Amino acid sequence: GQNIDQPTEMTATEGAIVQINCTYQTSGFNGLFWYQQHAGEAPTFLSYNVLDGLEEKGRFSSFLSRSKGYSYLLLKELQMKDSASYLCASLGGNNTNAGKSTFGDGTTLTVKP
Amino acid sequence: GAGVSQTPSNKVTEKGKYVELRCDPISGHTALYWYRQSLGQGPEFLIYFQGTGAADDSGLPNDRFFAVRPEGSVSTLKIQRTERGDSAVYLCASSSTGNEQFFGPGTRLTVL
Repeated sequence: GQNIDQPTEMTATEGAIVQINCTYQTSGFNGLFWYQQHAGEAPTFLSYNVLDGLEEKGRFSSFLSRSKGYSYLLLKELQMKDSASYLCASLGGNNTNAGKSTFGDGTTLTVKP
Repeated sequence: GAGVSQTPSNKVTEKGKYVELRCDPISGHTALYWYRQSLGQGPEFLIYFQGTGAADDSGLPNDRFFAVRPEGSVSTLKIQRTERGDSAVYLCASSSTGNEQFFGPGTRLTVL
């Protein structure tokens, strides 16, 4: 299976740094997505990691360890508009589930002034 | 350019009725995905198309659900004999690479 585990809620202060963790169990794992979803809106793509290591994209960075089944999303210089749900999703890669993404239930981040 | 569009944005129906939900992907995107999302949960995979064919329909909950993509562009998700438990936001996404998926705004289905 492709169970995705991530914390339900997190709170952080404007201007600070927050790390949202995600663990997954999968056979045929091909990559790991992070999406941002504001309330009442569709998810928007943030990052996709295939190889181990850290990928930085502006204020957001994403890390993957395939051997540990672990990823995190790092948000720097938090802004109020970063308050949203952050979804971790794994992409299947073997013949039975290639192209199939399995999403976690999301981490609701609240940024306070 | 235009993103993924879905119609209708809202659909209210009665238990037992038939509904069709439409998705217009980004032009040129060969991959198309259907998900459904309930409040407080992540999107749940339903079906994935590569071109006209369903590459993976393992997420369809039962035989009341069916989806087509006859010309490799627009897709329709069809639900027969709707049940109250089918109420959710139905999301469509498309992709050119199979990696980054672009989501539409969703159709909120309410079964009374």
